[in-house]
Amino acid sequence: GENVEQHPSTLSVQEGDSAVIKCTYSDSASNYFPWYKQELGKGPQLIIDIRSNVGEKKDQRIAVTLNKTAKHFSLHITETQPEDSAVYFCAAGSGGSQGNLIFGKGTKLSVKP
Amino acid sequence: DAGVTQSPTHLIKTRGQQVTLRCSPKSGHDTVSWYQQALGQGPQFIFQYYEEEERQRGNFPDRFSGHQFPNYSSELNVNALLLGDSALYLCASSLVGGAKNIQYFGAGTRLSVL
Repeated sequence: GENVEQHPSTLSVQEGDSAVIKCTYSDSASNYFPWYKQELGKGPQLIIDIRSNVGEKKDQRIAVTLNKTAKHFSLHITETQPEDSAVYFCAAGSGGSQGNLIFGKGTKLSVKP
Repeated sequence: DAGVTQSPTHLIKTRGQQVTLRCSPKSGHDTVSWYQQALGQGPQFIFQYYEEEERQRGNFPDRFSGHQFPNYSSELNVNALLLGDSALYLCASSLVGGAKNIQYFGAGTRLSVL
C-alpha cells in the first residue's frame, strides 16, 4: 500500500545550525507534499507545502525540495532556534480533490541553545 | 477566526464501551477528515466527510463510524473499544476547491482505553 518513509527519527542540532529531514513516498499519484510541526499537547501545524509541479519552495528559514523522479522530498531548516524543537511530519497526498494524507512516522528535532 | 476545535480533550473508557468524539471545522471549511495518532507515530487516516457523506475511508474496521452535520461539524464514533484504540484522535478541516486543499488540524482528543 501507500507508504511514506521519514528519516531520521531523531535529530539534535546546535542553535544556529541547519537541520535536514528526508522523506520518500511510494505512490506515483502523489502530487501534494505538506510538512507539519507538532508541539507537545498540540495538533500538527502546517509549516510549508509543495506541489509536484515545483522543485523547490522557500519560506524564510524553511525550504522544501522535491524530486519526483526519485520520489523523495526534504525539509531544510536554517539558523535553527530553540523554538524549532518539536516533532516534524512529512506527508504525501493526491490532493486533486480532497485526498487523504499519508504521514511519515515523524522526526523529533531538538535544538540545543 | 476560530480554528478547528475538538471535544473533549481527554477521555477514559473501558474495553467494550462506545465513545463519541466531536469536531468543529475552521470557519468557512466544508470537509472534515479524522486521523488516529498512536504514541510515537504519524497520524493515520480514518475517513473523510463532505456534504454529510463519507467520501474516503482508510484501513479501519466498521467499529469506526462517523457523521457530518449540516453545519459541517462532525462526530467520530468508535464501538466495542479495544485497548489498541488508545490514541490521539485528530480532526482536520479543509475546503473543497480551495486554493490548496490544505488540511488544518485541531489539538485532538486523547482517548485512553483501560
